[in-house]
Amino acid sequence: EVQLVESGGGLVQPGGSLRLSCVASGFTFSYYSMSWVRQAPGRGLEWVAILNQDGSDTHYVDSVKGRFTISRDNAKNSLFLQMNSLRAEDTAVYYCARDRQLYRWGQGTLVTVSS
Amino acid sequence: DVVMTQSPLSLPVTLGQPASISCRSSESLVYSDGKTYLNWFQQRPGQSPRRLIYKVSNRDSGVPDRFSGSGSGTDFTLKISRVEAEDVGIYYCMQGTHWPLTFGGGTKLEIK
Repeated sequence: EVQLVESGGGLVQPGGSLRLSCVASGFTFSYYSMSWVRQAPGRGLEWVAILNQDGSDTHYVDSVKGRFTISRDNAKNSLFLQMNSLRAEDTAVYYCARDRQLYRWGQGTLVTVSS
Repeated sequence: DVVMTQSPLSLPVTLGQPASISCRSSESLVYSDGKTYLNWFQQRPGQSPRRLIYKVSNRDSGVPDRFSGSGSGTDFTLKISRVEAEDVGIYYCMQGTHWPLTFGGGTKLEIK
C-alpha cells in the first residue's frame, strides 16, 4: 500500500525558513516523480512543485520560484521542500503526492507563517 | 497558466439522487502524447484529498462505480449516479498537462 508521511511543519516568522520532509513506502520511490501541493486554511488546492525521478528536472508555481527548493534522496525514499523567505501567504497544509497526476497523498503538515 | 473553472460552487443533493459537476479548462488538455490529463479528486471533511478519476474517465482502485468521468478537449464532467452520505465533501478537477499544474476552485457537495 502506498504511504506518504510528511513532517517538518510548524510556526515560523515572516522571512524565516523551514524544511519539510516526506517519507514514502509501499512503492519503488525512485521510479516516480514527486509533487508538493498546499492548501491554505479554508481554501482550495494549489500545486507547488514537482521533481522528476532522478532529481534532474524541476517545475515550480511562480509564487514560490526562487524561494522554495524541492529535492529528494532516493536511497532514503524521501522528498524534501526547503522553504526560504517565507511569507504569511505561504501559510497552508503542505501535502506530498506521488507523480504528476497526484496518485496518492500524505496526511499533510501545517506551516504557519506569522509573527 | 491554464485556468480550471468548476460549476456549481455548491451542490445540494438528495440521497440516492444523481449529481454532476462541470469542469472547463482555458486551453485544450490534450498532451503531446495524445492523452488528456484531467483528474478528479475528492476531499472529505478533515481528510487529505483522494484521487477518484484519472485521464478523464479512469476510476482509481477502490473507487465505487457510481463515480464516472467524461469529456474531452476543454470540457469535462464528473457524475455520481446515486449520491451516498459518504460522498459529502469538496470535489476538485485538476489538469496535469501543462505547467504549472492547476486545480479548479472546488465544488462542495452536501446532502439536502
